[in-house]
Amino acid sequence: SQTIHQWPATLVQPVGSPLSLECTVEGTSNPNLYWYRQAAGRGLQLLFYSVGIGQISSEVPQNLSASRPQDRQFILSSKKLLLSDSGFYLCAWSRVTNVLTFGAGSRLTVL
Amino acid sequence: LAKTTQPISMDSYEGQEVNITCSHNNIATNDYITWYQQFPSQGPRFIIQGYKTKVTNEVASLFIPADRKSSTLSLPRVSLSDTAVYYCLVGEGADSGYSTLTFGKGTMLLVSP
Repeated sequence: SQTIHQWPATLVQPVGSPLSLECTVEGTSNPNLYWYRQAAGRGLQLLFYSVGIGQISSEVPQNLSASRPQDRQFILSSKKLLLSDSGFYLCAWSRVTNVLTFGAGSRLTVL
Repeated sequence: LAKTTQPISMDSYEGQEVNITCSHNNIATNDYITWYQQFPSQGPRFIIQGYKTKVTNEVASLFIPADRKSSTLSLPRVSLSDTAVYYCLVGEGADSGYSTLTFGKGTMLLVSP
């Protein structure tokens, strides 16, 4: 069966520090991968999606970036965090259909 | 992408049937309707997906009228554990390969004893 792993689960970072969130999927090949962000009391915002290695599409311009170095690995990064980057970050995958399976999420607090 | 409108919140009691309606007046011919459930501090979980008429699984039923301008998620005999946010999404067909759907604020369902 397919599983999705996301880490770290929680993160507290100072403003201006770098960020790296990692997501891996097991049990499938060539999945579509996504990064979403959910700010407090708001809906989920699609940040990036990838349909293959090295193929990244950005939905929202910001100081975040994403990379897909391997087929089942998706990384969300920032060189300098802003206060507004605080939120709940979710990785998800889909295969063939548009039904998404989400990871457990990473809660980022920027101070 | 078709815009969706759903109630911000709903209240119910254990054992009752809950129907959450979503409006999507500009749904496209090849758009599917998908519902997700989200508990606090967790990622959304797929509940059900449909194109027309009625779809039923072990968790819920999805009713879609002929004009497809709305849909209703029906949760039979809810329990306290059904307290969650429910999202209605309308977009790319099931065989489109990938999704660029953005989740709105959803409907916060509160089930009381």
